[in-house]
Amino acid sequence: KAGVTQTPRYLIKTRGQQVTLSCSPISGHRSVSWYQQTPGQGLQFLFEYFSETQRNKGNFPGRFSGRQFSNSRSEMNVSTLELGDSALYLCASSSSSGGYEQYFGPGTRLTVT
Amino acid sequence: QKEVEQNSGPLSVPEGAIASLNCTYSDRGSQSFFWYRQYSGKSPELIMFIYSNGDKEDGRFTAQLNKASQYVSLLIRDSQPSDSATYLCAVKGNNNDMRFGAGTRLTVKP
Repeated sequence: KAGVTQTPRYLIKTRGQQVTLSCSPISGHRSVSWYQQTPGQGLQFLFEYFSETQRNKGNFPGRFSGRQFSNSRSEMNVSTLELGDSALYLCASSSSSGGYEQYFGPGTRLTVT
Repeated sequence: QKEVEQNSGPLSVPEGAIASLNCTYSDRGSQSFFWYRQYSGKSPELIMFIYSNGDKEDGRFTAQLNKASQYVSLLIRDSQPSDSATYLCAVKGNNNDMRFGAGTRLTVKP
C-alpha cells in the first residue's frame, strides 16, 4: 500500500505571496491532518479534515486554510506569507477522524524569503 | 506551562541498556497518548499508542500511562544504535486535536 504523499517537497516563496500544498493520504484513509514543524515551536497541529469537512482546528491565524476533496486528497493554503511561516509542513492520514494511528507524509519544506 | 512537556535531552545510553523517556501533560481530559520516533530529516513514525492506565508492551518498547499523575513514559529495552532519534510524545484531547511535546533526543552509543 502506498504511503502518504506530499507535493511539492521543497518550496521557496517571497513574503506576501501565497502557497498551496497538497497531500494524498493512504488509500482508504479519509482523515487528513496538517502540522507545522519548526525548531522553535516543534510540531503544531493546524487542522484536520474528514470526509471533506474540517473537524478540528489548531491555534493558527486565518491565513492558514485547507480543504479536502471527495477522493480524500487535501490541500493547505497559506496566504500573505510571513518569514515566520518558514517550516516543514507535514500531513498525516488516518482511517477515521480521531483515529489512533496517524501516518505522516515526508513533508513540504517551505522557505519564505 | 506547556501542554506537553518532555526533557529535551540529549539522553545518551550505551547499547543494550534501557532508555527511559518521560512526558507530562497538562490537560486532565486527555484521552489518548502516542509516542513517535523521528529520525533527522525524516517525518515522525508512530511507535505506540496507549489510552488506559498501566503498561502496554510491543517488542522492545513499553509505554506506561498514569492519568492521575498526568504522566506517560516510553521504555526502550536492549537499546540499539538504530534507536538513536528524537522521540515525540503526543497527547490527544477531548476535541481530538493532537498536541506534541518538543521531543527528546536519544543517542545510543555502541
